[in-house]
Amino acid sequence: QVQLVESGGGVVQPGRSLRLSCAASTLSFINSGMHWVRQAPGKGLEWVAVISYDGREKYYADSVKGRFTISRDNSKNTLYLQMNSLRVDDTAVFYCAENLDVWGKGTTVTVSS
Amino acid sequence: IQLTQSPSFLSASVGDRVTITCRASQGISSSLAWFQQKPGKAPSLLIYGASTLQSGVPSRFSGSGSGTEFTLTISSLQPEDFATYYCLQNNSYPFTFGQGTPLQIK
Repeated sequence: QVQLVESGGGVVQPGRSLRLSCAASTLSFINSGMHWVRQAPGKGLEWVAVISYDGREKYYADSVKGRFTISRDNSKNTLYLQMNSLRVDDTAVFYCAENLDVWGKGTTVTVSS
Repeated sequence: IQLTQSPSFLSASVGDRVTITCRASQGISSSLAWFQQKPGKAPSLLIYGASTLQSGVPSRFSGSGSGTEFTLTISSLQPEDFATYYCLQNNSYPFTFGQGTPLQIK
């Protein structure tokens, strides 16, 4: 069973940047598409981005396109989400997920002045 | 692609049979998944491909549908099934979730 552990969340001012990481515990990571999904406080799930197993294909939700960048380092079994120009409405718990069938516990991002 | 779940809220008793519907704004073949989420926890995949049960998920859960209308059925509610349920379309990017259906104990 793959274990995913997110990190990098915190409190940040609007307009600033933050990078999230997701560390995977097994080698299946390198053969899997990886997703980021977020959930604002008291709200539903929002799909954010996906990256193919080799990093060549990336897709984003319209709400983050041009501000967020998903990437991965298969040599480190780690997924990333670079978040720039953060807005108050980006405040959420961010989950990484392998093929959407294995999920981490999430990391909280709060954007506030 | 927009997904609309109904009902928006569901109240039921242990042992009841319940059905949640997910409607897509355009045809998505069978590219639909269902997730369960309990408070403070990450979502958990229940069904993918509209009707295929994820490994380890109890057989009281089932899914059906194709095109634009899909259903999740729980045949006999157990206490651990009270949670929020989401559908997700993975037919085309960007993927989208339905708004969620909280299922609470009556």
